[in-house]
Order: sequence, then C-alpha cells, then structure tokens
Amino acid sequence: GAVVSQHPSRVICKSGTSVKIECRSLDFQATTMFWYRQFPKQSLMLMATSNEGSKATYEQGVEKDKFLINHASLTLSTLTVTSAHPEDSSFYICSARGPSGAASSYNEQFFGPGTRLTVL
Amino acid sequence: GENVEQHPSTLSVQEGDSAVIKCTYSDSASNYFPWYKQELGKGPQLIIDIRSNVGEKKDQRIAVTLNKTAKHFSLHITETQPEDSAVYFCAASEHNDMRFGAGTRLTVKP
Repeated sequence: GAVVSQHPSRVICKSGTSVKIECRSLDFQATTMFWYRQFPKQSLMLMATSNEGSKATYEQGVEKDKFLINHASLTLSTLTVTSAHPEDSSFYICSARGPSGAASSYNEQFFGPGTRLTVL
Repeated sequence: GENVEQHPSTLSVQEGDSAVIKCTYSDSASNYFPWYKQELGKGPQLIIDIRSNVGEKKDQRIAVTLNKTAKHFSLHITETQPEDSAVYFCAASEHNDMRFGAGTRLTVKP
C-alpha cells in the first residue's frame, strides 16, 4: 500500500521559535496533501489542503501566516509553525492523495504517523 | 459543508463479541466513506472503505454498510480481539473535502 512518512515524529521547542514538519509520500506521487491537527481525545481537524506547485488552501480560522505550507514537489510537503506558542502544542498529521492509480483511486487519503509538537 | 456524526463515543465489548459503530453524514454529494483505526500516538490507518455505488463491503472480520437514502453508514467488527482496541474514525468525502466523525474509543476486554 501507499506509505507516507513524517519527520520529525516528536519535537519540543521554545516559545517564539519556528518548527518545520516534513511529509513525504514514499512510493507514489502525491498531487494533493492535507495537513490535520489533533488535540488529545479529539478528532482530526483539517487545517489546509496543498496542491503541488500552487498555494495551499486554508480552512476557516487557520492563520496562513502562522502555518506556512509548501508543496514544492510531488513527494514532499512541509508545514512550518512560525513563532510557536504553547497553544500550538498538538499532534500534527499529514495525508497524501495522488493521481489516479495505486494510491488514489477515488478519494483515498493515506496518513503519515504524525508529529507531536510540544511548545514550552 | 459536510457534517459527520459518530456514535457511540466509547464502546466496551468482551473478546469474541461484535462491535458496531454508526455514522451519519449531511452532504448527499459525499461519495466515499472510509474508516480509520488510530492507535495511541500514531496516525490513522485505513481499515476499510466504501463507495456510494455499493451498499455493503466485507473484509474478513470487518464489514461496512452504507444507506445512501438515510445518509448513514456503519462499521461492524466480528469476533473482536484485544488488538482491535483503538480509536475508530469514520469519514465522508466528496473529492477534496473529507470530514471526520468525532471518533469511537473501542475497548476489547480479554
């Protein structure tokens, strides 16, 4: 099946610093990647949708200048949390959907393992 | 936009019993309904999905049913095992827009 990786799996940073999270599709080309945020014991909340080579589309209430998304290639999307604050501490999960083929018949999304961000 | 409701929020069953989780959705344009299993500290894993042109799908101990008229779909796990314990999420999707239910924490007691 389709494999999506995330790096790092866990990061601790100081308030005010920026953190970059990488999401890679390992065995398929992902034309669309999604970034989700999940608080403890809650569901996944879509933050933004990124298409390769174009600007990301952000969900209502998500600050695009705070959560910078870059989808520069068909296998890599990055999420940068700028000027992080303790309230940004959360579990960030990406998913990937490719062109029609093994990884994406219909609307299938394959999720990465997640990144636990803790802002001190 | 799409709104997905999932019940129950927690479910505890004895090993070997069946477990059923139900979801409803609001957008009749939704045409893809996946179910994900999420273990603690990990990303969601797709366990089964169903398209809008199918009413039922089965994969070993797992089955999903879809009622498009009523806009609800269900996950059925038979012969539950302790390793089935996890949080299960349903979702409804139409192209780019996938919305998740709130999740069901399933506990299978040995």
